[in-house]
Amino acid sequence: RKEVEQDPGPFNVPEGATVAFNCTYSNSASQSFFWYRQDCRKEPKLLMSVYSSGNEDGRFTAQLNRASQYISLLIRDSKLSDSATYLCVVIRFTGNQFYFGTGTSLTVIP
Amino acid sequence: GAGVSQSPRYKVAKRGQDVALRCDPISGHVSLFWYQQALGQGPEFLTYFQNEAQLDKSGLPSDRFFAERPEGSVSTLKIQRTQQEDSAVYLCASSFRRETDTQYFGPGTRLTVL
Repeated sequence: RKEVEQDPGPFNVPEGATVAFNCTYSNSASQSFFWYRQDCRKEPKLLMSVYSSGNEDGRFTAQLNRASQYISLLIRDSKLSDSATYLCVVIRFTGNQFYFGTGTSLTVIP
Repeated sequence: GAGVSQSPRYKVAKRGQDVALRCDPISGHVSLFWYQQALGQGPEFLTYFQNEAQLDKSGLPSDRFFAERPEGSVSTLKIQRTQQEDSAVYLCASSFRRETDTQYFGPGTRLTVL
């Protein structure tokens, strides 16, 4: 089983829609969680960290569910510029383990 | 200030050739990471440095892969006797101090092995 699993999509949604992605991780000892965004042929860029209490940044909300071992990203009022691949990242400090998911592709349609 | 830079941006190598990929992290960043990203996949961890110390190299796929960061700043990823399966984008990232800090990625080096 992979350390981190994501639905690759693609998710095609109309402008203004709300869309949610989940990412599951296999090791309960995982300690830090992030969402990155990667545009086509570009490098990944941090979108937001994910905290146990949940966190929000404008139209983006990230949540962590340790009991079920998944993190989620919710995008409200989708914009065309949100079209990208969204990567979840799970870090386990012991042994310096850094895991990226395969990414979820989002296309926002006019 | 300047972000993470990598060179070359593109490299075409014949099978069996050795290649060296360079990463210049953000000035003052202690941690440096190398990842390999195949087409349609997420980045796969290769190795991690804290200053000049290579703390983890468990992700290096074979002994043909070697990374160094001798003075704790610039890092080089070397691939000996390249194979077609080495074709990928090699991403370098740096973070300020701890592995929990935000990682800032360079633009990557796209390696194509013919």
